[in-house]
Parts: sequence; structure tokens; C-alpha cells
Amino acid sequence: DIVMTQSPDSLAVSLGERATINCKSSQSLLYSSNNKNYLAWYQQKPGQPPKLLISWASIRESGVPARFSGSGSGTDFTLTIGSLQAEDVAVYYCQQYYGTPLTFGGGTKVEIK
Amino acid sequence: QLQLQESGPGLVKPSETLSLTCTVSGGSISSSNYLWGWVRQPPGKGLEWIGSIFYSGTTYYNSSLKSRVTISVHTSKNQFYLKLNSVTAADAAVYYCARQSEYCTDISCQGWFDPWGQGILVTVSS
Repeated sequence: DIVMTQSPDSLAVSLGERATINCKSSQSLLYSSNNKNYLAWYQQKPGQPPKLLISWASIRESGVPARFSGSGSGTDFTLTIGSLQAEDVAVYYCQQYYGTPLTFGGGTKVEIK
Repeated sequence: QLQLQESGPGLVKPSETLSLTCTVSGGSISSSNYLWGWVRQPPGKGLEWIGSIFYSGTTYYNSSLKSRVTISVHTSKNQFYLKLNSVTAADAAVYYCARQSEYCTDISCQGWFDPWGQGILVTVSS
């Protein structure tokens, strides 16, 4: 199984400041045939289902604010919230879709400092 | 737009079978290039993929649950289903259904989940 490890478990960031979440996979998520990283990021607010933010490690979904960006390749990935807003308080998860079983990171809780 | 809705009993007795339905509206479950998946989340914990199904009936299961799980589809009802046998307290969770994209690598054809249903809380208790 591909193990997804997120860090930190939680972080508190001031409004308007940058939040950075890391996700590391136990094996490469880069498929050489198409040079794509099979990694997605989700946001989950309390009492709601996860919401897809980013696919292919860096492609923002339609309607997702530009302050959310994804980067990385291979085994190391980052979700950055460029300027934290109050509505960004949530738990963020990464998910690999390179192989089965599909696996998620343990989640990172983002709060306001 | 596409919507998914889980339904089923919110309380299941230990050793019995958990049965859930996911009803898809605003689109066809027979769409090619999509799978239909189940994900669960124990209270206060992270996300676990249970399994997925293609409209043709091809299934993919998490090996950790494979011996107890059955996922099926009824295309004319635009529904797919989850059955989990021999439940224990460890199976208590919010169960989500979701549409899943399908992209292949050298080892599998899977994808991300979008959109998701609202989820249904299943409690296991006698």
C-alpha cells in the first residue's frame, strides 16, 4: 500500500498569512508515461463532506480561490494557502490515486492564530 | 449539477450487515470514465477508501475490508450500494458515496472523488 504522511497535524496561522501543508508518499506518484503526479487535495469543514480542491498535484478545480495552490512531484507535495481567510479553517487531506488501495493522508487541521 | 445522496439505517447491531444506498441525480451512473466509490470516516478521524464500482459492475475493494464488502450497481435506478458484513464497533463511521474519476497508471485505474454525498452516520450498537 502507498502510505501518505501529512505534516503538520495542525497549524495556526494569522489571517492574511501563508499556510503550508506537506504530504509525503511512500512511493512515487509520478507516472512516467504521462509525466503526471496522481495526487489530490481536499478541504473538509466541520459537518461537511470533503471538497476537492486540487487534482494532478497542482491543478486547481473550477471555483477554488487562487490563494490555494499545490506543488511538488514524485513523493513530496505541498498545499499552500497564500493568504489565509477565516473561511479556510478546515482539515485538509491529500489522496493518492496512483494505485489501490486508494489512500489518504491523516489530515492537517488549519486554524486561525 | 450531479448530486449524490446516501441512505440506509443509521444503527446496525454488531455482527449484522450494514447496507447503504447511494442515489445519483443530475447525471447518469452509466457515464464512461467514472467510477462510483464509498469512503468512510470514523468520528474525529481520517478518511478510508472502502471500494469502487464501474457501471458495468467491475469492482475494486480495499484489501483491508475485501472479505466483508460487496459493492453493486443498479444502472436503471441510478443507484449503487454498499454491504459490509459482520460489523463491529470499529465500523462505526460516517459513510460517504462519491463519483470518482478514472485515470490509469501502470498498476491501476482510479482517481479523485468529486462530488461527494453529504454522508450518513452509521452507529454500531446492540
